Amino acid sequence: NAGVTQTPKFRILKIGQSMTLQCAQDMNHNYMYWYRQDPGMGLKLIYYSVGAGITDKGEVPNGYNVSRSTTEDFPLRLELAAPSQTSVYFCASSYSGQYSTDTQYFGPGTRLTVL
Amino acid sequence: KNEVEQSPQNLTAQEGEFITINCSYSVGISALHWLQQHPGGGIVSLFMLSSGKKKHGRLIATINIQEKHSSLHITASHPRDSAVYICAVTPHLAGNQFYFGTGTSLTVIP
Repeated sequence: NAGVTQTPKFRILKIGQSMTLQCAQDMNHNYMYWYRQDPGMGLKLIYYSVGAGITDKGEVPNGYNVSRSTTEDFPLRLELAAPSQTSVYFCASSYSGQYSTDTQYFGPGTRLTVL
Repeated sequence: KNEVEQSPQNLTAQEGEFITINCSYSVGISALHWLQQHPGGGIVSLFMLSSGKKKHGRLIATINIQEKHSSLHITASHPRDSAVYICAVTPHLAGNQFYFGTGTSLTVIP
């Protein structure tokens, strides 16, 4: 199994540009998550999904959009990139029920710089 | 205020030393997780625990639910243990959402 994969690994964007960060998992996990990690701060949840067709906002959703058309894929869309979106982005997945907890498996991360 | 607090923020140890990293949290939880972030950036799960103690190799994790506190211990530390260690909790009835601490950066010197 490849686990959780993310592309690209690095990207530099100009202010106002848009891009999509790709995330895929091959573990048949129902839950998927997008986080951002800023220096000195804990990971912050941007969006999450509990299954195909179902997404919900996390703690810091502004400036981002997601979709979940399949169990495997959970892309994160940045519209009108701003310097405040410079960060490292992690995708994660887990197999969980609504009231259960489970280990999350993380992708390798995407380092994004907005200039 | 962050629901999860870790201490210390930074830790330098000599190879072979016994290391303790602490985590305190302020919410009722279903489970607590310890994660390791390698210098290259990858994040892996070390432990998930809801009571008592777990051991894996030289790593030991304990939790005291009444005191809302957990510790991660590393015995006979080695330079390859150098990483950021992150504590995260899953609050009650929050599905599988994690609240993360800001991490403890550990450097083990040969």
